[in-house]
Amino acid sequence: TQLLEQSPQFLSIQEGENLTVYCNSSSVFSSLQWYRQEPGEGPVLLVTVVTGGEVKKLKRLTFQFGDARKDSSLHITAAQPGDTGLYLCAGAIKAAGNKLTFGGGTRVLVKP
Amino acid sequence: DAGITQSPRHKVTETGTPVTLRCHQTENHRYMYWYRQDPGHGLRLIHYSYGVKDTDKGEVSDGYSVSRSKTEDFLLTLESATSSQTSVYFCAISANYEQYFGPGTRLTVT
Repeated sequence: TQLLEQSPQFLSIQEGENLTVYCNSSSVFSSLQWYRQEPGEGPVLLVTVVTGGEVKKLKRLTFQFGDARKDSSLHITAAQPGDTGLYLCAGAIKAAGNKLTFGGGTRVLVKP
Repeated sequence: DAGITQSPRHKVTETGTPVTLRCHQTENHRYMYWYRQDPGHGLRLIHYSYGVKDTDKGEVSDGYSVSRSKTEDFLLTLESATSSQTSVYFCAISANYEQYFGPGTRLTVT
């Protein structure tokens, strides 16, 4: 059973379009992290959100943590081919120590 | 760059043989993790360590053992490899509740 559900599983868009990836759970997380992974490499941390309602921006990427700290979203504005990759969300629960629970991932393809 | 290396990067082995994967870190982090990544399952925790000789099981630990005799090295052993253990294995360290990953080892069990 996946504690963190990501949607959609796959997204194919044209360069310049916007996209949103969702990460949902019935559990409350103390923090939530977003990673991007390219083929043949390990996941790379993009951002960590810790406060309910928090919004963080990283250039064209906007990350939001839900008020109840159960869900998060990643929005990319004017996507570029370099945004292509596998996006993973991961939640941490303090009672579980430093362990993370990962979502299944969203594969994003941005076509030129 | 969290200074994490994994070896080997690729390995093909036969069913029933033992296999050891190595994770090495250069920054003295206390927490280290082993994950496997499979299509449709995302990243799943196999084992983790919270210090030298201190390890614990993750959600998919059956068939795997680990050892950590030095802070910098975390070894993952498949005592008798099976085809279901064909996967990509990632090591990670934790710093301030954030995890940083190594480049991965692609293991194929034939």
